[in-house]
Amino acid sequence: SQQGEEDPQALSIQEGENATMNCSYKTSINNLQWYRQNSGRGLVHLILIRSNEREKHSGRLRVTLDTSKKSSSLLITASRAADTASYFCATDVYGNKLVFGAGTILRVKS
Amino acid sequence: EAGVVQSPRYKIIEKKQPVAFWCNPISGHNTLYWYLQNLGQGPELLIRYENEEAVDDSQLPKDRFSAERLKGVDSTLKIQPAELGDSAVYLCASSPMTGSGTGELFFGEGSRLTVL
Repeated sequence: SQQGEEDPQALSIQEGENATMNCSYKTSINNLQWYRQNSGRGLVHLILIRSNEREKHSGRLRVTLDTSKKSSSLLITASRAADTASYFCATDVYGNKLVFGAGTILRVKS
Repeated sequence: EAGVVQSPRYKIIEKKQPVAFWCNPISGHNTLYWYLQNLGQGPELLIRYENEEAVDDSQLPKDRFSAERLKGVDSTLKIQPAELGDSAVYLCASSPMTGSGTGELFFGEGSRLTVL
């Protein structure tokens, strides 16, 4: 079963625009992570935000976490064609299990 | 530093045949994971090892799937016999963390299985 659900399922934007992806989950978590997967490749870790944090930045990435709403968002600013990929949120459910959502497919058009 | 290495990258077999996937984690990473990823879906955990001990295999279909991690380093995932529904990508990941909490996972490129 997948506890995280990403929204939207697919997103198409122009290069230079910002991309926002959302993730909702069901149970209490230890932390929430975002991963990127290029077509036919493995997943690459982007950022981890702990349950006691509300916002975190890494380069062009900004992640927010609202534990009261059980939701997170990933913002990619000034998107590039190379950002085209699938993005997954993963929740660290207490019990040492990282559970992935179904992902958002991002397409950045140049 | 070498990443997580998986082989083979692609495998095509007939149904009812056996198949095995191999994973070499990042040196020093004590925790190793096998995930299954169906097309258009996120990865789903099959089994998690801490050193050579399988600490979570609740999602592993034990009637046909088996895994081992001898000496707490490399791991092998086997399917016997394979079914059409096993067609998927099998991902291996490793982490330096053990015990409570899950940090960043480092994934291999995956092994894509096609069962005909």
